[in-house]
Amino acid sequence: QVQLQESGPGLVKPSQTLSLTCTVSGGSISSDDYYWGWIRQPPGKGLEWIGHIYYSGNTFYNPSLESRLSISIDTSKNQFSLRLSSVTAADTAVYYCARTSWGYFDYWGQGALVTVSS
Amino acid sequence: DIVMTQSPLSVAPGEPASISCRSSQSLLHYNGYNYLNWYLQKPGQSPHLLIYLGSNRASGVPDRFSGSGSGTDFTLKISRVEAEDVGIYYCMKALQTPYTFGQGTRLEIK
Repeated sequence: QVQLQESGPGLVKPSQTLSLTCTVSGGSISSDDYYWGWIRQPPGKGLEWIGHIYYSGNTFYNPSLESRLSISIDTSKNQFSLRLSSVTAADTAVYYCARTSWGYFDYWGQGALVTVSS
Repeated sequence: DIVMTQSPLSVAPGEPASISCRSSQSLLHYNGYNYLNWYLQKPGQSPHLLIYLGSNRASGVPDRFSGSGSGTDFTLKISRVEAEDVGIYYCMKALQTPYTFGQGTRLEIK
């Protein structure tokens, strides 16, 4: 059973960089069948796709975030990571990592709340 | 973009429910698959996959859930609503990036 777990600071100051890591267990992140993605949900609001990455490092980003966004992968640690720079209060959200194949997310992490506040 | 049935949807236990999802663009790929997926987010939980590629039930999903439609119009049906089905239902289009979720439909039990 594949499991994903987000980790990282729960509080980030405005203008700084939000960093989260997703650790995958129960399966290899180097599988050529899957991409690994991030989705976020502001408090009380809907879901927003952030982007995803293949084990080779090939990435797909949401154009609305692309200028501030970086997603990377570390196959040796079975982890992938999200970095979002120049954050504002609008970036406050629960951030989910998930596995994706054929355009659908079949396994999700439990989510990590990141609050942007001074 | 994507428009879903208005919230809330209030349904009595044992009754059927239907949620609509309409895309401004066709989600039918030349491979014959519709790149439209359905998720349920129960209160306090992460979303989980219900239906993928338009009409395929995800592993472990009860057979009272079904997905149908093609092109731009899709429907999620629950044949007999149970109390455990409460939550927010999202459709998501994934024919090409950026993937986009609908605004969500909240299902309540009468």
